[in-house]
Amino acid sequence: GQQVMQIPQYQHVQEGEDFTTYCNSSTTLSNIQWYKQRPGGHPVFLIQLVKSGEVKKQKRLTFQFGEAKKNSSLHITATQTTDVGTYFCAGPGAGGTSYGKLTFGQGTILTVHP
Amino acid sequence: NAGVTQTPKFQVLKTGQSMTLQCAQDMNHNSMYWYRQDPGMGLRLIYYSASEGTTDKGEVPNGYNVSRLNKREFSLRLESAAPSQTSVYFCASRDRGGKNIQYFGAGTRLSVL
Repeated sequence: GQQVMQIPQYQHVQEGEDFTTYCNSSTTLSNIQWYKQRPGGHPVFLIQLVKSGEVKKQKRLTFQFGEAKKNSSLHITATQTTDVGTYFCAGPGAGGTSYGKLTFGQGTILTVHP
Repeated sequence: NAGVTQTPKFQVLKTGQSMTLQCAQDMNHNSMYWYRQDPGMGLRLIYYSASEGTTDKGEVPNGYNVSRLNKREFSLRLESAAPSQTSVYFCASRDRGGKNIQYFGAGTRLSVL
């Protein structure tokens, strides 16, 4: 079945440093989503990428979808303590998007030291 | 709107006990999902309900059952809890709009001793 691999599993940065997490799929994805989970919280939708090579920005966050639609990345510029949490990528699960299932990566836990 | 509401928030069970995790959404979403989250393993789909009256297995269904009681409610039952089911359980519902966003509840933290 489809697998979505995410690296790194952990990332510790000093406040102000940049951060990047990478997501790779074993199959071509029709789209990819990113979610953020604050410590002790629940996943919250950040963004969806659909087009090959797509780049989207949300303030200090930059999301990219690879040309082959098999990989994606999330880059945070100048991290702040509010960026702490786990970042997940998710691709459509088996059965297609008609059921809305998602296959999540393992997540990257970001710690920001002030 | 409350969004997706899960109860209870915390639960401790003994091996072999049963319990039902409740989930309700007030967003008129058709599809609902149950996930479990374990360290280093992301979110894994247990069961889902594409619409009222239907349920299907996800990636890790063994040891669980579900009921889609009506459009709002989707419950997850552990018939005979095992320590391997110690986890954080999340319920989610899906917006059928173009972005296919899933909205998650606050989670249930379950320990099986």
